[in-house]
Amino acid sequence: DIQLTQSPSFLSASVGDRVTITCRASQGITSYLAWYQQKPGQAPKLLIYSASTLQSGVPSRFSGSGSGTEFTLTISSLQPEDFATYYCQQLNFYPLTFGGGTKVEIK
Amino acid sequence: QVRLQESGPGLVKPSETLSLTCTVSGVSISSSYWSWIRQPPGKGLEWIGYIYYSGSTDYNPSLKSRVTISADTSKNHFSLKLTSVTAADTAVYFCARRNDLFDYWGQGTLVTVSS
Repeated sequence: DIQLTQSPSFLSASVGDRVTITCRASQGITSYLAWYQQKPGQAPKLLIYSASTLQSGVPSRFSGSGSGTEFTLTISSLQPEDFATYYCQQLNFYPLTFGGGTKVEIK
Repeated sequence: QVRLQESGPGLVKPSETLSLTCTVSGVSISSSYWSWIRQPPGKGLEWIGYIYYSGSTDYNPSLKSRVTISADTSKNHFSLKLTSVTAADTAVYFCARRNDLFDYWGQGTLVTVSS
């Protein structure tokens, strides 16, 4: 199985901060990576797919980059509604796997 | 508007079978692949498996011996059965659209395995 390692697992930030989350794959997955946002008690929400393509309706402050084994999710200016847990997911190989999550909390 | 809604018992006894249904509205299940994903309390996400309306399926090898996913096009729903459950199967179970990335999700349903 492809292992996805997210870092950090937790980060504390302020409104307006630029935030970057990293996802590393145990082997190359080209650009077959998605990012999700999950708030407490809710289902995950798809933010980005194909490593860098913004899902319809997602604010442009979210962006993704990377290919192969290293990927990043960046929030250019953190908003109050962005405090949540973020997961990466690889879709290059079955079984599909998710990263362990990064919880973004208010500083 | 695509909507998914999970339903089924919230409590299952150890060694018994967990059974859930995902009812889809706003689109025919014949139009896509459909998946089940679970999340133990306070933990991360685990893909369980998917089905295409024709009956084609694939499962996570970690669960393959215990999982069956089926679909009923007449009711526009698909279902999950997980046999021989243990406390480790306690989780929120989500249904979702597609078999690669997941663009629509149900709200999730908590299933607790306990006697």
